[in-house]
Amino acid sequence: LAKTTQPISMDSYEGQEVNITCSHNNIATNDYITWYQQFPSQGPRFIIQGYKTKVTNEVASLFIPADRKSSTLSLPRVSLSDTAVYYCLAWDTGRRALTFGSGTRLQVQP
Amino acid sequence: EAGVAQSPRYKIIEKRQSVAFWCNPISGHATLYWYQQILGQGPKLLIQFQNNGVVDDSQLPKDRFSAERLKGVDSTLKIQPAKLEDSAVYLCASSASTSGGGDTQYFGPGTRLTVL
Repeated sequence: LAKTTQPISMDSYEGQEVNITCSHNNIATNDYITWYQQFPSQGPRFIIQGYKTKVTNEVASLFIPADRKSSTLSLPRVSLSDTAVYYCLAWDTGRRALTFGSGTRLQVQP
Repeated sequence: EAGVAQSPRYKIIEKRQSVAFWCNPISGHATLYWYQQILGQGPKLLIQFQNNGVVDDSQLPKDRFSAERLKGVDSTLKIQPAKLEDSAVYLCASSASTSGGGDTQYFGPGTRLTVL
């Protein structure tokens, strides 16, 4: 199983862009990089997923370099409601399973 | 579209007692997952069903935990007997696809279990 490493916590201010980098040195050919967001007392919520290069949706962008050993989640112009834990995961398409790490706790301040 | 439903939302029991959690996945979703999330940690997969068959239960403590998904829809997770270290949030998730590719898992709100 691919192991992911990400910062334990990050602080930001409203309106700023936040970039959370995740390393996954042993990612497998079948794995997709997936990011989930979790608010207190709620289940995780899918944010974005990609295999390589850049993926963008209405919430975030995901940058994955060619070697796929790391990825960066970019949240444009964060607000207080973006305060949450963000998990970087390798989606094992063979086992169809997610392996969660401890995540990055993002605190957005006014 | 209705989300993943779980009940109860909260449960407090004493150690050595039994407890059961219920999950109703999103309609039509073939794959169902149970996770355990201890405070301050990420969710840990306990068991994965595809339709009513078990795909992965390698991290399920089978001496005390059991799960079933009769008829390939609802699922129940049981702990018997409970230990103090079972205090956690139990999350159920479901996903649609049974084929390859990175499809999305949708999580329920979880059941918070406290074992005294």
